[in-house]
Amino acid sequence: DGGITQSPKYLFRKEGQNVTLSCEQNLNHDAMYWYRQDPGQGLRLIYYSQIVNDFQKGDIAEGYSVSREKKESFPLTVTSAQKNPTAFYLCASSPTPGLNEQFFGPGTRLTVL
Amino acid sequence: AQRVTQPEKLLSVFKGAPVELKCNYSYSGSPELFWYVQYSRQRLQLLLRHISRESIKGFTADLNKGETSFHLKKPFAQEEDSAMYYCALSIPSGTYKYIFGTGTRLKVLA
Repeated sequence: DGGITQSPKYLFRKEGQNVTLSCEQNLNHDAMYWYRQDPGQGLRLIYYSQIVNDFQKGDIAEGYSVSREKKESFPLTVTSAQKNPTAFYLCASSPTPGLNEQFFGPGTRLTVL
Repeated sequence: AQRVTQPEKLLSVFKGAPVELKCNYSYSGSPELFWYVQYSRQRLQLLLRHISRESIKGFTADLNKGETSFHLKKPFAQEEDSAMYYCALSIPSGTYKYIFGTGTRLKVLA
């Protein structure tokens, strides 16, 4: 393992607070992705970025925000506008967007109390 | 709209029995299809992709464009195959998105 890291592994926050999940990769990959994994629903795409300083909304972007200021970093902020933020969040990267396999991080479990 | 369907949430088979995990997709272009696997307490990882036409850990998957399917097969299941399996569709142009199915949990019984 290695190459793509997420921190922290577990995160607890009070309702109404914004929280930022970290995702870093040293694979020199152009594309990075954020997914939400819920039981029975598979992986749902939140945001993705094909290149530095550019990102697009996925299927469930409401209540989330991202930035891509550096190639190796793609942090996800879960805002208070997200109605049901408690979930398992996965970050992934791929060498080029849409053509290659994705490499996944270990995930962050966010619990909003 | 592009979609990946995995109709079985759970598939239980006995050790040594054949396994087939179903995956159907809807996409009007030329698809790039993948199978990912998540073993207990491990990261989600690529199992195989259709353009490689290879067998990984005894698993194979054939793309059937007529039936828009990409089923994952293994002739003899092993206990270590127990895991969560996701079929994924990659869109190599335009949106450059990946679309995952809802996953199938495979349990191989001794």
